[in-house]
Amino acid sequence: DIQMTQSPSTLSASIGDKVTITCRASQSFSSWLAWYQQKPGNAPKLLIYRASSLESGVPSRFSGSASGTEFTLTISSLQPDDFATYYCQLYNTNTWTFGQGTKVDLK
Amino acid sequence: EVQLVESGGGLVQPGGSLRLSCAASGFSFSSYTMTWVRQAPGKGLEWVSHISSSGAAIFYADSVKGRFTISRDNDKDSLYLQMNSLRDEDTAVYYCARWEGVVVVAFDIWGQGTMVTVSS
Repeated sequence: DIQMTQSPSTLSASIGDKVTITCRASQSFSSWLAWYQQKPGNAPKLLIYRASSLESGVPSRFSGSASGTEFTLTISSLQPDDFATYYCQLYNTNTWTFGQGTKVDLK
Repeated sequence: EVQLVESGGGLVQPGGSLRLSCAASGFSFSSYTMTWVRQAPGKGLEWVSHISSSGAAIFYADSVKGRFTISRDNDKDSLYLQMNSLRDEDTAVYYCARWEGVVVVAFDIWGQGTMVTVSS
């Protein structure tokens, strides 16, 4: 099975900061990687699919990219509504794997 | 409005059973693969089980294989998870989620979750 390593586990940032979260796969696979945002007490929300496509209604400050087995979620300018936990998730032939999560909090 | 609503959670003793339900509305339920994803208190997300649109293809995480059974009733727009031989480590919020495997290839719709607590 492909393993996903998400980093960092916690990220402290200020409003307006550029934020980068990374997921690394243990081996290459098709770029069926998604990013989700979860706020306390709420269900996850899809932000990015197919590694770099923005889900409808998601602000354009969110973006995703891929380079080999490394996938990145970037928030270009952190807003108050963005403090949350973010998860990557890969799909590979009937296997669904989530990253460990990254909590973004206020510095 | 596209919506998933889970129910059936609660407190159960170790070794007990529970059946979760997920009612879908606002979309063609019978056209979509559906999944269960869980989240233990303070922990990350864990995929639990998947059932194809027709119910012909079913998959389970190793942690629940042999104990949990996923099913669906397309006439009732409903998804189910029968959980037997429950363990302390099954304590979690259980979410049903729609798997969109053609365009986005991701879990695009989520329910609000139902809490399952396994404790004596």
